[in-house]
Amino acid sequence: GNSVTQMEGPVTLSEEAFLTINCTYTATGYPSLFWYVQYPGEGLQLLLKATKADDKGSNKGFEATYRKETTSFHLEKGSVQVSDSAVYFCALPMFSGGYNKLIFGAGTRLAVHP
Amino acid sequence: DAGVIQSPRHEVTEMGQEVTLRCKPISGHNSLFWYRQTMMRGLELLIYFNNNVPIDDSGMPEDRFSAKMPNASFSTLKIQPSEPRDSAVYFCASSYVSSGTVNNEQFFGPGTRLTVL
Repeated sequence: GNSVTQMEGPVTLSEEAFLTINCTYTATGYPSLFWYVQYPGEGLQLLLKATKADDKGSNKGFEATYRKETTSFHLEKGSVQVSDSAVYFCALPMFSGGYNKLIFGAGTRLAVHP
Repeated sequence: DAGVIQSPRHEVTEMGQEVTLRCKPISGHNSLFWYRQTMMRGLELLIYFNNNVPIDDSGMPEDRFSAKMPNASFSTLKIQPSEPRDSAVYFCASSYVSSGTVNNEQFFGPGTRLTVL
């Protein structure tokens, strides 16, 4: 079945540093890929997505490119802020029971210090 | 739109007591998901419904857990009897899904933090 693997955290950075959070996947075909973010005390919310190979999703300065050659969807940001401190989840759909459900990675905690 | 609504936000109970968590999905959504999040196990899908019908309950940990969706605007997750190891944050999420949909963004509620003493 489909699966996703994320780099383990926590990731600790200083403000304005460059961020990369690695995500690789195993899937049948070319499903959509997602990054969700969970801010402290809140539920997950969609950060960005890519629906086909070579697509780049972007939002709030974050980017991720769907690379089928390396089965990867790494999350990047050129200059992080303290407000980006959160847990980031990579996800992809899996067909089950006639419908798609989302498979989430383990999450990567990011802490940004001033 | 009010988003996904969960209640209560916090619940503290004693071992052996019944606990009921509630969720109101976003209007118009036809799929509802219950997740559990802990430090040790991360985010786990417990059950999901489509058009009020349970589609996959393979994540429900044991018979002490049960979930219902009597109508499109309400779902409950019940634990009876509760145990300390059930302590976690429980999230409800909703989505619009049709057969073959691939861009099925899920919208999460704020969660219920359950503590079983």
